[in-house]
Amino acid sequence: ETGVTQTPRHLVMGMTNKKSLKCEQHLGHNAMYWYKQSAKKPLELMFVYSLEERVENNSVPSRFSPECPNSSHLFLHLHTLQPEDSALYLCASSQGAGLAYNEQFFGPGTRLTVL
Amino acid sequence: RKEVEQDPGPFNVPEGATVAFNCTYSNSASQSFFWYRQDCRKEPKLLMSVYSSGNEDGRFTAQLNRASQYISLLIRDSKLSDSATYLCVAFRAGTALIFGKGTTLSVSS
Repeated sequence: ETGVTQTPRHLVMGMTNKKSLKCEQHLGHNAMYWYKQSAKKPLELMFVYSLEERVENNSVPSRFSPECPNSSHLFLHLHTLQPEDSALYLCASSQGAGLAYNEQFFGPGTRLTVL
Repeated sequence: RKEVEQDPGPFNVPEGATVAFNCTYSNSASQSFFWYRQDCRKEPKLLMSVYSSGNEDGRFTAQLNRASQYISLLIRDSKLSDSATYLCVAFRAGTALIFGKGTTLSVSS
């Protein structure tokens, strides 16, 4: 595997379900990100992890819970979601985060539908 | 006001046309700017960085005007394969990337 991979690619879940999205990067980067892309809206940053520590949380509802067990893996745990949470969830990684720009490489995304 | 604003389009142009996209940003502390390209149902990918002096990469030219807080992307001799959404992106130290909504381009034969 190369680059940034995400699983599953598609997910349909009910509002009472609990599911997790997985992201893995094979680029040796030390920063990882979760973004949400809804129709007609810009990409919204949800979480940033740098060296496995969360450095930014853009006021995301607690029904989204990230986990970064190591620099290569990032999870997004989902529970009691709402239909408006249906979107494309993109994971990205970069070499470093914060003070200087580092190109972000995106995974293919998980298209989530909440019924 | 959104921090990065773009005309959403769509821009429908014939092959060979020249097309220009504009983008404005509201936070003067933004340091670096980029154009990302996102194909339908695919992830965004970096197209090019934008410098004050302007930069060119083949058929693509990007320009930054800090005084007007304005960024542009010019595509010459459009190809069918240029059809995509072009995302204007700003970066400030201490934050992650700030994306515009994107401008959709459709090139037809």
